[in-house]
Amino acid sequence: DAMVIQNPRYQVTQFGKPVTLSCSQTLNHNVMYWYQQKSSQAPKLLFHYYDKDFNNEADTPDNFQSRRPNTSFCFLDIRSPGLGDAAMYLCATSRGGGPGKENEQYFGPGTRLTVT
Amino acid sequence: AQKITQTQPGMFVQEKEAVTLDCTYDTSDPSYGLFWYKQPSSGEMIFLIYQGSYDQQNATEGRYSLNFQKARKSANLVISASQLGDSAMYFCAMRESNQAGTALIFGKGTTLSVSS
Repeated sequence: DAMVIQNPRYQVTQFGKPVTLSCSQTLNHNVMYWYQQKSSQAPKLLFHYYDKDFNNEADTPDNFQSRRPNTSFCFLDIRSPGLGDAAMYLCATSRGGGPGKENEQYFGPGTRLTVT
Repeated sequence: AQKITQTQPGMFVQEKEAVTLDCTYDTSDPSYGLFWYKQPSSGEMIFLIYQGSYDQQNATEGRYSLNFQKARKSANLVISASQLGDSAMYFCAMRESNQAGTALIFGKGTTLSVSS
């Protein structure tokens, strides 16, 4: 049973054309994260929501925005995708933010974004 | 300075052999958690094993065990009896307690190739 669902799995967009990636969870977790992962690199955190509180990483470009309309859903909006934004985008959730195992992050399958 | 260091970009092992993937970390927080994830070519991040900073015993999960040496700040993953399906990228990650709701800090990963 899928717990963190990402749609679509593959997305092709044109240079400069806005695109939205979707993430939903059935775990009722408080925290939802968006990571960008480029080929053969570690995931890079873009931002996260702790409940309704939005937390942006300092080096996340303004081109990237996020919305969390309710506990279950979180969206990643890329306003004007550039060629350098082609990557895998991973959504993750956790119950809380502490270091214990109970706050393990559960990842979705990812959306692979191609920019043409 | 990097907080998580994985010094092995690639490792090669034959089926049924054991392999150790290295991970060292840097933190001044006395309370932290260490996580290992597996990422196959499909892209999904799969949680493998967790070690808490206060845990007295090394964590084990089936064929996975964690060689936790706190004084040396190392948390090496040991995979016993390797299988072809173990071929993947492996990430070591850490979460500290001093910032609630923050995401995992990932190492750069190690690519494991298992041959028959």
